[in-house]
Amino acid sequence: QKEVEQNSGPLSVPEGAIASLNCTYSDRGSQSFFWYRQYSGKSPELIMFIYSNGDKEDGRFTAQLNKASQYVSLLIRDSQPSDSATYLCAVTGGSYIPTFGRGTSLIVHP
Amino acid sequence: EAGVAQSPRYKIIEKRQSVAFWCNPISGHATLYWYQQILGQGPKLLIQFQNNGVVDDSQLPKDRFSAERLKGVDSTLKIQPAELGDSAMYLCASSPGEGEAFFGQGTRLTVV
Repeated sequence: QKEVEQNSGPLSVPEGAIASLNCTYSDRGSQSFFWYRQYSGKSPELIMFIYSNGDKEDGRFTAQLNKASQYVSLLIRDSQPSDSATYLCAVTGGSYIPTFGRGTSLIVHP
Repeated sequence: EAGVAQSPRYKIIEKRQSVAFWCNPISGHATLYWYQQILGQGPKLLIQFQNNGVVDDSQLPKDRFSAERLKGVDSTLKIQPAELGDSAMYLCASSPGEGEAFFGQGTRLTVV
């Protein structure tokens, strides 16, 4: 069974710092990797996707993928209190079915 | 572009009652997912449709849950009868095809 592991946190960082969120996955055949943000009581919102090894940047967000280590991460630069949420990692294989981790709770304090 | 529409937003029912959820995906998205998210956990796939065909329903408790997708567009998810452990957020998502999922607002179900 495919597994996606995330530290549940909470991860607490001061405003303006870099938040680093990590995810590991068990299926070596995984092809696509996604990060979602979920505010309390709301549904997940797609914020980043990455398909190839290396880094992908979008504004304050950088996704990093290392397929050899089966590891994907999300960096949030200049963290703001509005970034406080749960961040879900999702992984798909050839069937394009996203398997989600349990999420990491991020708290950005002023 | 209109997003994924779901209804109702909230539902409270007694155990052993029935409930149905409705989803209208983003126009043109062939793939539709239903997920169950229990508080504090990640979303768990219940069923995936590709157009109006089922791709994966291996984690759908078929003795009480059913789902259909009419004409490859709207979908309904039904629970009959509900159990206390079914209390969760039920999320519908659609995808243009490579696994990126766009979620509706979800239905918060409470079974008492």
